[in-house]
Amino acid sequence: GIQVEQSPPDLILQEGANSTLRCNFSDSVNNLQWFHQNPWGQLINLFYIPSGTKQNGRLSATTVATERYSLLYISSSQTTDSGVYFCAVEGYQAGTALIFGKGTTLSVSS
Amino acid sequence: GAVVSQHPSRVICKSGTSVKIECRSLDFQATTMFWYRQFPKKSLMLMATSNEGSKATYEQGVEKDKFLINHASLTLSTLTVTSAHPEDSSFYICSARDWGGGRNYGYTFGSGTRLTVV
Repeated sequence: GIQVEQSPPDLILQEGANSTLRCNFSDSVNNLQWFHQNPWGQLINLFYIPSGTKQNGRLSATTVATERYSLLYISSSQTTDSGVYFCAVEGYQAGTALIFGKGTTLSVSS
Repeated sequence: GAVVSQHPSRVICKSGTSVKIECRSLDFQATTMFWYRQFPKKSLMLMATSNEGSKATYEQGVEKDKFLINHASLTLSTLTVTSAHPEDSSFYICSARDWGGGRNYGYTFGSGTRLTVV
């Protein structure tokens, strides 16, 4: 099956700093999503981005499908950005489940 | 966007009892739903694919007799943890995708159920 690798596993930032999270995947995908898991466990969908670039406020994401990677950019980080960020992909056969990477744990201190 | 509701959010049960977790798609129909399990500080592991009107498909290593899945309608899938043991304690999350209306939001997740078996 598809392998999803995220880096770095942990990231510690001061408030206001910028960061880049990376997701590599081993095969062609039909879908890629970035999630933020809050302290209560809820998965918040940040981006649905099988290809291209999207921006939402301080967050943006880019997926280069031909090179099998995606990047999540967080600018001017805030303490509320802390948590675990997951990248998840859906194999080329649509309708199959999302496969998750191991996540990046982000800690932002004031 | 699509909304998936999951209940209960938290449950504590005694060893040997069974617990049922519900997953509902609130504003769309879902012929397929997915169940995941998450251990502390770990990633989400797919347990099974729930198919409306037919048997669920379980991932390798998941005991189908322990984790019973029923998908009796287009908006409801249930996961029953039977004869629960402390090692079944975990965070369980369901997911579905709205394919109708030309929407393209990807997969949506329920809020999860934290199961503690004592």
